[in-house]
Amino acid sequence: EAQVTQNPRYLITVTGKKLTVTCSQNMNHEYMSWYRQDPGLGLRQIYYSMNVEVTDKGDVPEGYKVSRKEKRNFPLILESPSPNQTSLYFCASSYGTGGNEQYFGPGTRLTVT
Amino acid sequence: GENVEQHPSTLSVQEGDSAVIKCTYSDSASNYFPWYKQELGKGPQLIIDIRSNVGEKKDQRIAVTLNKTAKHFSLHITETQPEDSAVYFCAASITNTGNQFYFGTGTSLTVIP
Repeated sequence: EAQVTQNPRYLITVTGKKLTVTCSQNMNHEYMSWYRQDPGLGLRQIYYSMNVEVTDKGDVPEGYKVSRKEKRNFPLILESPSPNQTSLYFCASSYGTGGNEQYFGPGTRLTVT
Repeated sequence: GENVEQHPSTLSVQEGDSAVIKCTYSDSASNYFPWYKQELGKGPQLIIDIRSNVGEKKDQRIAVTLNKTAKHFSLHITETQPEDSAVYFCAASITNTGNQFYFGTGTSLTVIP
């Protein structure tokens, strides 16, 4: 089954404790992206990648890091999480370098206390 | 950067009536405009998209119109059904430079049986 998977689905952590949210897709997609969703603000793009070893900042990249060492994986790293990073996070992938349907993962609910 | 505004934030319609959601964008270089539907507890899913060289696109009960001069695009759902109840997001992207996506703040649609 074609899908985007994220782990963990739920995470409660404390300020400053480094964490990684994994994202994997099995569709051989070139484009991958991370979004955060907050009430009243919609979806905001954090980082995106158009292929292996190619990453770019989205609208809200501060406090986040990403890497794209393999085509299928695009982990999101929070080196020192803060309470304002409490949010619902979505990973997405699409064929080509953009301008195509994005397939979203199920989301990761992160709470930073 | 691009700014996408979406209205209304909430919309209630009777089953069988039509629903219209409107979005405006600020960057005239944007050339790809997808619409996503998000059901409770799930990731967004593409329902229809339109590119800047097309003025209108239909898919059964769903249609999208684009006015490049006015920089606005709209989602039209006809003969609404209870299963259309969800949150809808519009987005804009410039596909030939970076492929960053900018989403609207979402519209919560309720279809009353």
